[in-house]
Amino acid sequence: EVQLVESGGGLVQPGRSLRLSCTTSGFTFADSSVGWVRQAPGKGLEWVGFIRSKSYGGATQYAASVQGRFTISGDVSETIAYLQMSSLRTEDTAVYYCTRIGGEDGGSYLSYFDSWGQGTLVTVSS
Amino acid sequence: SYELTQAPSLSVSPGQTAYITCSGDKLGDKYASWYQQKPGQSPVLVMYQNSKRPSGIPERFSGSNSENTATLTISGTQPMDEADYYCQAWDSSTVTFGGGTKLTV
Repeated sequence: EVQLVESGGGLVQPGRSLRLSCTTSGFTFADSSVGWVRQAPGKGLEWVGFIRSKSYGGATQYAASVQGRFTISGDVSETIAYLQMSSLRTEDTAVYYCTRIGGEDGGSYLSYFDSWGQGTLVTVSS
Repeated sequence: SYELTQAPSLSVSPGQTAYITCSGDKLGDKYASWYQQKPGQSPVLVMYQNSKRPSGIPERFSGSNSENTATLTISGTQPMDEADYYCQAWDSSTVTFGGGTKLTV
């Protein structure tokens, strides 16, 4: 069974940093691309970014709203994906979901988010 | 940036067919996916690559995509289908979600 479990959320002041973890199991992490999607309170889904599998070079891609502030990485040995968030803003307040990316192209036109974690809440406030 | 547009809400009676649409420029040239999210729960993939159903998704869910509109169709809608539905597509290695449609049954 595919499982993704996020952790590391909490209350953080604007301008500070926070790292989220996504502990995975039930699939071959090294062969999978992993994405992050967030949802502000009462709002819709917003894509944050993703990291391609090692098969696709492990490249990362980010939404314009977080480019330069957020970094996604993966620990293949521990099968954990990370979302390092810096220079946090109040508008970054959201539930952050970790997702496995299915599809034949590892993160492109054929891809889709086929498994989701339960989410972790990040609140940016002074 | 690429945009996907969904109607904010849709209401159907039990047993009716629900057509949830998603519009975007030349969306038919891309692949659309659909996610169902019930209150307090994580999203669930219900359709991918326009018309493919993941394992465990009932046959009453179907999908299509042509020209500028992707459609998620729920035939014989049941009360348990009441949820928010989001479309999603890729554009140049970035991802766009529609704003979501709240389906009331």
